[in-house]
Amino acid sequence: RKEVEQDPGPFNVPEGATVAFNCTYSNSASQSFFWYRQDCRKEPKLLMSVYSSGNEDGRFTAQLNRASQYISLLIRDSKLSDSATYLCVVTSNSGGYQKVTFGTGTKLQVIP
Amino acid sequence: EAGVAQSPRYKIIEKRQSVAFWCNPISGHATLYWYQQILGQGPKLLIQFQNNGVVDDSQLPKDRFSAERLKGVDSTLKIQPAKLEDSAVYLCASSLDRRLPYEQYFGPGTRLTVT
Repeated sequence: RKEVEQDPGPFNVPEGATVAFNCTYSNSASQSFFWYRQDCRKEPKLLMSVYSSGNEDGRFTAQLNRASQYISLLIRDSKLSDSATYLCVVTSNSGGYQKVTFGTGTKLQVIP
Repeated sequence: EAGVAQSPRYKIIEKRQSVAFWCNPISGHATLYWYQQILGQGPKLLIQFQNNGVVDDSQLPKDRFSAERLKGVDSTLKIQPAKLEDSAVYLCASSLDRRLPYEQYFGPGTRLTVT
């Protein structure tokens, strides 16, 4: 089983739609969780951290379910500019440092 | 604030040749990461430095890959000899502190094609 798994997609959704991605992780001791966004042929950039109580940033909502070991990202009112690959990132404590693991990413295409 | 700098941006080499990539992290960032991203996949961590020391190189193919960060600032990643499967984007990232999951800032990457 991969440490961090994501549905690669692509998710093709119309403008204005709501779309949700899930990401599962295998290490129950994982400590920190993030969503990064990567545009085509660009570097990844932090979209948002994921907190235990869930958090929201504008149209984006991130949630963590430790019992089931997954995190989710919800995008409301999708814009064309949201088209990108969304990478799930999980960190765990390993020998005094944070081991960082990226998922394979979920590709989102927002259609006019 | 200047971002993470990488060079070259593109490199084409033949298999069995050698290649080196350079990275200059954001000033003051103690932690530096090298990732390999193959088309259609997420970034895979190759090596992580804390200042000039290695904290994780478990996924670095040490028979052909090497990396150094001699003065705790910029870093080089070398492949010798290259194989076809090394074709990928090599991303460098930096963050403030290895103990806390601070945001990682990525450079633009070096796109390597091995023919």
